Amino acid sequence: DAKTTQPPSMDCAEGRAANLPCNHSTISGNEYVYWYRQIHSQGPQYIIHGLKNNETNEMASLIITEDRKSSTLILPHATLRDTAVYYCIVRSQTGANNLFFGTGTRLTVIP
Amino acid sequence: EPEVTQTPSHQVTQMGQEVILRCVPISNHLYFYWYRQILGQKVEFLVSFYNNEISEKSEIFDDQFSVERPDGSNFTLKIRSTKLEDSAMYFCASSGTADFYNEQFFGPGTRLTVL
Repeated sequence: DAKTTQPPSMDCAEGRAANLPCNHSTISGNEYVYWYRQIHSQGPQYIIHGLKNNETNEMASLIITEDRKSSTLILPHATLRDTAVYYCIVRSQTGANNLFFGTGTRLTVIP
Repeated sequence: EPEVTQTPSHQVTQMGQEVILRCVPISNHLYFYWYRQILGQKVEFLVSFYNNEISEKSEIFDDQFSVERPDGSNFTLKIRSTKLEDSAMYFCASSGTADFYNEQFFGPGTRLTVL
């Protein structure tokens, strides 16, 4: 599975959009980009995933660059409850089904 | 909404004792996982389980660890002889079908403290 690089921490004002970047320059053609988050030692929570098209669901949007070497998770209107560690994970379509978590980005939403 | 449950929420044990951590995955899921997170560190994969057998395991999952699905609902992780370094949060997860991109649903975790 390709390695990912994320900034260790970010702040965002409540009500503003939070844009969390992830670099995955060694991603291969059959690897998906997944985002999970972990709120204060709770179990990780799935957010969204994509292959090459931008994706949106009720939680977030995922923007993947055309060369697929980086992506951005967007929380359109961050709330205090979005304070968490956000993990960008790249998974092979043919590899094992388990997730490999990095150190993620600690997002702090500020009132 | 269906969820993964885990018991107990906190387990305290003496070094060398056996512990069993219990999980009830989402009822129609087919894949089951255990992860652990030592305080302040990354979430680490331990083992995945499908069709009543281990499908993948990490180097952490040595002979001291075992998993079992004793009935149609529970999924357990056993540590035979606990060590101080086994102190961690243990998360169970399950995912739905054989489709690769099914997201994993995590339980709230069991905090294991080995004294």
